[in-house]
Amino acid sequence: DTEVTQTPKHLVMGMTNKKSLKCEQHMGHRAMYWYKQKAKKPPELMFVYSYEKLSINESVPSRFSPECPNSSLLNLHLHALQPEDSALYLCASSQATDTQYFGPGTRLTVL
Amino acid sequence: AQSVTQPDIHITVSEGASLELRCNYSYGATPYLFWYVQSPGQGLQLLLKYFSGDTLVQGIKGFEAEFKRSQSSFNLRKPSVHWSDAAEYFCAALMNTGFQKLVFGTGTRLLVSP
Repeated sequence: DTEVTQTPKHLVMGMTNKKSLKCEQHMGHRAMYWYKQKAKKPPELMFVYSYEKLSINESVPSRFSPECPNSSLLNLHLHALQPEDSALYLCASSQATDTQYFGPGTRLTVL
Repeated sequence: AQSVTQPDIHITVSEGASLELRCNYSYGATPYLFWYVQSPGQGLQLLLKYFSGDTLVQGIKGFEAEFKRSQSSFNLRKPSVHWSDAAEYFCAALMNTGFQKLVFGTGTRLLVSP
């Protein structure tokens, strides 16, 4: 089973709202990732968690706050977002630094 | 520079015809190589991967890819395209950019005509 699940599927929020995206995998993978994908572009890496610790932050603004409560769960907390943050947010996981398996994504719209 | 190039932004293929999507990489060694497919509004699905060994790799949905070291290429092929293959295809390579990072090409949109 190579399934990564993400909730919600769609999210609309105002610039003053606080919301969270959730990602879950039960493959025993030790690395989890957040990507941002704008229309007609490839995914851009935001954060990497390795063994539940944040190992990479690709200079992401502080209005995005990741959290890894346990080895199967990854959250992305959102606060005071801007309209340009509207995008498809993808979660991925991998056993080590090898094959990444992606979730279906959360389509985020910031009004 | 470490990069992955997909020279074709769009490709249109007739249903039943063969398909080849091009991918080249620039890196000081042979990276791990991947092809992913993405339908509109969906996540990325792994089609196949190459780490080492046999340079012709079989994947899901009837796709295959051939690694050619001399050309730094990893082209994706399918002998007979179905309408359901219409999607965005991303080639990616795992490269050490200070850390192991999945570097994506810009993608190729495949259109299938009847």
